[in-house]
Amino acid sequence: DADVTQTPRNRITKTGKRIMLECSQTKGHDRMYWYRQDPGLGLRLIYYSFDVKDINKGEISDGYSVSRQAQAKFSLSLESAIPNQTALYFCATSDPHQETQYFGPGTRLLVL
Amino acid sequence: EDQVTQSPEALRLQEGESSSLNCSYTVSGLRGLFWYRQDPGKGPEFLFTLYSAGEEKEKERLKATLTKKESFLHITAPKPEDSATYLCAVTSYSGGGADGLTFGKGTHLIIQP
Repeated sequence: DADVTQTPRNRITKTGKRIMLECSQTKGHDRMYWYRQDPGLGLRLIYYSFDVKDINKGEISDGYSVSRQAQAKFSLSLESAIPNQTALYFCATSDPHQETQYFGPGTRLLVL
Repeated sequence: EDQVTQSPEALRLQEGESSSLNCSYTVSGLRGLFWYRQDPGKGPEFLFTLYSAGEEKEKERLKATLTKKESFLHITAPKPEDSATYLCAVTSYSGGGADGLTFGKGTHLIIQP
């Protein structure tokens, strides 16, 4: 089984809808991250969490919110989706002693 | 603000033709430089972490090196299965994303049989 899983893998939604992307990990890491990837722009950090009680904004947090339900679960929400949020979304985890981040398989989101 | 620039954007090689990918970075206090491989439609796969100038790491046909301003990913006698996008990323003590990675845009590598 994969160490970092994301659901759904693909999602089509309409402008104005609220959607949630979920991430689960079995690596036992405390730190979790959400990134988005756009063609020509690379991966950019949306939010990150050091533990259940610690949530931090990244480079591009506007229009997004997150919830850290447990050490192993970190969800990303789009409160009112807009077309320019169409992208590939990745969850990642890391161990603070090693810093290396391990990525999930991604969620492809299309906002119409 | 941390910046990472990768070159070339795309590279096409013949099988067995060795080459190098470049990653130039600008940070205030490098904590780590990371190389990832990404296949189409998949998440980045970790390859190497480098922490200080002069450090080198190897894995199969890949070798990563680090200087104070750039990193190279050397590919020796590549095979078609090495075709992928290679991503470089950094963390720093003063990065705008705090503990997050700052990525370059990647080098799309194609190895032709």
